Amino acid sequence: DIEMSQSPSTLSASVGDRVTITCGASQSVSNWLAWYQQKPGKAPKLLIYKASSSESGVPSRFSGSGFETDFTLTINSLQPDDFATYYCQQYHDYPWTFGQGTKVEIK
Amino acid sequence: QVRLQESGPGLVKPSQTLSLTCIVSGGSISTASYDWSWIRQLPGKGLEWIGYIYYRGTTEYNPSLKSRVAISIDTSKNQFSLNLTSVTAADTALYFCARGGLGGLGGRGTIWGQGTQAIVSS
Repeated sequence: DIEMSQSPSTLSASVGDRVTITCGASQSVSNWLAWYQQKPGKAPKLLIYKASSSESGVPSRFSGSGFETDFTLTINSLQPDDFATYYCQQYHDYPWTFGQGTKVEIK
Repeated sequence: QVRLQESGPGLVKPSQTLSLTCIVSGGSISTASYDWSWIRQLPGKGLEWIGYIYYRGTTEYNPSLKSRVAISIDTSKNQFSLNLTSVTAADTALYFCARGGLGGLGGRGTIWGQGTQAIVSS
């Protein structure tokens, strides 16, 4: 299985901050990498697909980058609605696997 | 707008079979463009992909669960189902169904249901 690791596990930030979350793959996933946002009791919502493409309707402050094993999710000017947990997921090889999540908390 | 809704018993006894159904509305399940997955979220832990099915019945399962999992599809009812046999407390989780987007779960157009809690307890 391809192991996905995220850092940090928890991040404290303020409204208006620029936030960066990293995701590493144990082997190359090319650009088959997705980012999700999940709020408590809710379904994960797709933000980014193919490492850097924004899903329809996602605010432009969310952006993704990276290739092969190293990926980044950036949130520019953090908004109150953005406090949530973020997951990366590879869909290059079966079984599809997820990072352990990064919780973005209010500072 | 496509929506997915999971349903299931909520409480299952150890060694029994967990059966969940995902009803798809607002679009047809009989499309070659998407796959239909089950994913679970273990308490306090991350997400685990269980497997998927295409509308023609082709499946792919996570090897960690493959011996106990079966995913089926009923195109006439626009729904797909999960059976997980010989459950233990370790199978207690929030179970999600999802439509995989272009390229699979995580691709453009991926949509998840709201999830259904399954507790394994005697």
